[in-house]
Amino acid sequence: SQQGEEDPQALSIQEGENATMNCSYKTSINNLQWYRQNSGRGLVHLILIRSNEREKHSGRLRVTLDTSKKSSSLLITASRAADTASYFCATDRSNSGYALNFGKGTSLLVTP
Amino acid sequence: GAVVSQHPSRVICKSGTSVKIECRSLDFQATTMFWYRQFPKQSLMLMATSNEGSKATYEQGVEKDKFLINHASLTLSTLTVTSAHPEDSSFYICSARRGANNSPLHFGNGTRLTVT
Repeated sequence: SQQGEEDPQALSIQEGENATMNCSYKTSINNLQWYRQNSGRGLVHLILIRSNEREKHSGRLRVTLDTSKKSSSLLITASRAADTASYFCATDRSNSGYALNFGKGTSLLVTP
Repeated sequence: GAVVSQHPSRVICKSGTSVKIECRSLDFQATTMFWYRQFPKQSLMLMATSNEGSKATYEQGVEKDKFLINHASLTLSTLTVTSAHPEDSSFYICSARRGANNSPLHFGNGTRLTVT
């Protein structure tokens, strides 16, 4: 299985602080993606970073990728209460129609 | 943007009955759709890959006779949970990819199935 693992499993911060989540995976990848899931809802794509990229930004999101360590991090800057959600990293799997393997997720709570 | 619609959002059924969940791509054609299952506070587990016009590809450990998948058109895939049991209670989510194989997945809002 290529399933990744995020840490921490749960993170509680106050509004305005930065939140950092990490993800590790096991096999080689073409790209790594981060998704967000609000409670009881589907997932929403946040950002994709290709295997030949080391860092990518999108608004308040910053993603890094270290293929030598098979790890990635997601940084949310200046967090807001609306950022409260679960965050998952996902890697592609070429042997299942290019489905994605998801990590276990980080549950982020941002308190006002 | 691309939208995937999933219906119903919640369903409660009695043991032994069957439940059908629909997944539609609203503004694009999807030759492949993916069905995931998620237990509370856990990750998404791929159940099967739905292929338009052909048989679905099931992940190891997923019973194909219990979880029937039909992908009859380029915009609709259905998952039928047959002879449901309480242990089938879960959150089922479908997804589809609009572009190339390395593009992001678009997800439905999921179906919360409760079997009593």
